[in-house]
Amino acid sequence: GAVVSQHPSRVICKSGTSVKIECRSLDFQATTMFWYRQFPKQSLMLMATSNEGSKATYEQGVEKDKFLINHASLTLSTLTVTSAHPEDSSFYICSAPPPTSRETQYFGPGTRLLVL
Amino acid sequence: GEDVEQSLFLSVREGDSSVINCTYTDSSSTYLYWYKQEPGAGLQLLTYIFSNMDMKQDQRLTVLLNKKDKHLSLRIADTQTGDSAIYFCAEIIGDYKLSFGAGTTVTVRA
Repeated sequence: GAVVSQHPSRVICKSGTSVKIECRSLDFQATTMFWYRQFPKQSLMLMATSNEGSKATYEQGVEKDKFLINHASLTLSTLTVTSAHPEDSSFYICSAPPPTSRETQYFGPGTRLLVL
Repeated sequence: GEDVEQSLFLSVREGDSSVINCTYTDSSSTYLYWYKQEPGAGLQLLTYIFSNMDMKQDQRLTVLLNKKDKHLSLRIADTQTGDSAIYFCAEIIGDYKLSFGAGTTVTVRA
């Protein structure tokens, strides 16, 4: 079945550096992908909608200059956490709906970011 | 808080049935979902129900939908230790956006 991958699965970085997280749809094209953030023992909070060929749409309260999203192709979206700080440490998950189906949405395995 | 509400914890004995309840807010939601998350992992779609259905059964899973009360439930029959996880209820907003509940942590005890 359809699979969404993320890379890296976990990353540790120093405060002030930038980190890029990739989300790929492996056997289908995704014109739209979603980025979520999950704090420990909490729900997933939608951060932004990544749109192929156009700018990402950010949810209220999410800094677009802090979390840069680039939907480079129909199978790849990247989230760059710029000038990361310890409070950015979290579990970041992407998802992609297959283009012909609203019944399902596939989630990546997540990326755990730890900023020291 | 979340628009989708769930109880936070459920403890169940192995072999018994588990019932996880959820209330949602958007009466126009066309699809409602149940996802499972194991520790440190992403989300796995367990099942979904279309809004014009009252019930959906898939092997050990039964989903009940009460549109009038905006209430959704997931029943897991013959609960196993491998069912221990966090279960998220989600409703679809618009075309593809999902709004999640806080998640119900299910602990299966021997």
